[in-house]
Amino acid sequence: EVQLEQSGAEMKKPGESLRISCKASGYNFGSYWVVWVRQTPGKGLEWMGMIYPDDSETRYTPPFRGQVTVSADKSINTAYLQSTGLKASDSGIYYCARLRILVGYSSGALDVWGQGTTVTVSS
Amino acid sequence: DIVLTQSPGTLSVAPGEGATLSCRASQSVDTQLVWYQQRPGQAPKFLIYDASSRAPGIPDRFSGSGSGTDFTLTISRLEPEDFAVYYCQHYDTLYETFGQGTKVEIK
Repeated sequence: EVQLEQSGAEMKKPGESLRISCKASGYNFGSYWVVWVRQTPGKGLEWMGMIYPDDSETRYTPPFRGQVTVSADKSINTAYLQSTGLKASDSGIYYCARLRILVGYSSGALDVWGQGTTVTVSS
Repeated sequence: DIVLTQSPGTLSVAPGEGATLSCRASQSVDTQLVWYQQRPGQAPKFLIYDASSRAPGIPDRFSGSGSGTDFTLTISRLEPEDFAVYYCQHYDTLYETFGQGTKVEIK
């Protein structure tokens, strides 16, 4: 069974750093992009960035470029999302998801999702 | 960036009836549109890709249509598990975005 298992909920203070993990199983981890998506009540679902574990190529959407870092460790089938200088507005649910590239395109649909990691940033 | 606007915000439907959800793009996305379902407390679930193709395992009561800027997700004969929030998403612009969602609630 294809699965993405995320690390547990995080409580952080403003200015602190965050690292969330996403462990894949049931498929060739290196051959699929892993995407990070944030969900907040104010902005809904936001596509943050993604990584191709085989060669560690990364892409970020403009709002998150320079704000977060995605990485991966192929040896343990795990992707990571890092963020520094957290603000209250970074509170939300963070999902990792597998990207299914659609024929003829360089992107596509998120066909498998992790269970989500709730991040709360509060003083 | 392409803005996706979904309507209505909330749709009240009785079990067994049908529902029609709309997603409008601020500029043409051809058929590069995906639909997801999100039940309370769960991650989104992949439903439709290329605007009209069902993802594996998705029942045929779910259908998508449209191209360019106007898209529709139709759910025929709503089952109890279909009451959820539905999101559209476009792809292939290096700045993928989602709509704000339509909640389908029990009437």
